[in-house]
Amino acid sequence: DVKVTQSSRYLVKRTGEKVFLECVQDMDHENMFWYRQDPGLGLRLIYFSYDVKMKEKGDIPEGYSVSREKKERFSLILESASTNQTSMYLCASSFGQGPEQYFGPGTRLTVT
Amino acid sequence: AQKVTQAQTEISVVEKEDVTLDCVYETRDTTYYLFWYKQPPSGELVFLIRRNSFDEQNEISGRYSWNFQKSTSSFNFTITASQVVDSAVYFCALVDRGSTLGRLYFGRGTQLTVWP
Repeated sequence: DVKVTQSSRYLVKRTGEKVFLECVQDMDHENMFWYRQDPGLGLRLIYFSYDVKMKEKGDIPEGYSVSREKKERFSLILESASTNQTSMYLCASSFGQGPEQYFGPGTRLTVT
Repeated sequence: AQKVTQAQTEISVVEKEDVTLDCVYETRDTTYYLFWYKQPPSGELVFLIRRNSFDEQNEISGRYSWNFQKSTSSFNFTITASQVVDSAVYFCALVDRGSTLGRLYFGRGTQLTVWP
């Protein structure tokens, strides 16, 4: 079974803090994705990556950066957290051209 | 451009009722995949089904069935004899050859509540 894990289920941070959200997959997938989910807006793509050290902006990259130093790990970084970044963050991975994405359990981030 | 529309924001039914979740999609490509995902209260998206654009056969899996109609660009999902455990947010999604690296385009989701 594909396993995608995220470092925290719940996280509370203060405005201005630097926040790291970690995602690890164990299936040697090339592609990894970060989404945020907000009520009424569905899932919106923040960033994705197709290889180590490679990244592409999604639909809402502002205020975020990413890092992929190893194939299995994809990190989402909030350089200076703001209250409007309070959201559910979901990580996903997929294999090459294979269309299925497999999701982690999500991290519910609250910025106060 | 790719787009997925789930017009139903919330649906409430009583246990044992049948319920259909609608999904309408837009794509200019002739080759594409459609998906349904379930998100229970725990938060993790669970893959339910994938359909490619060349296979219009309807699919049934237990109480779940999917109706894919290219003529109306729809991929609807029906739960027969709903149960409380079916309560979740359901997402329809699309990927086509124009999707960079297979990125999915999601609808906004339908919150299904099944009351006992």
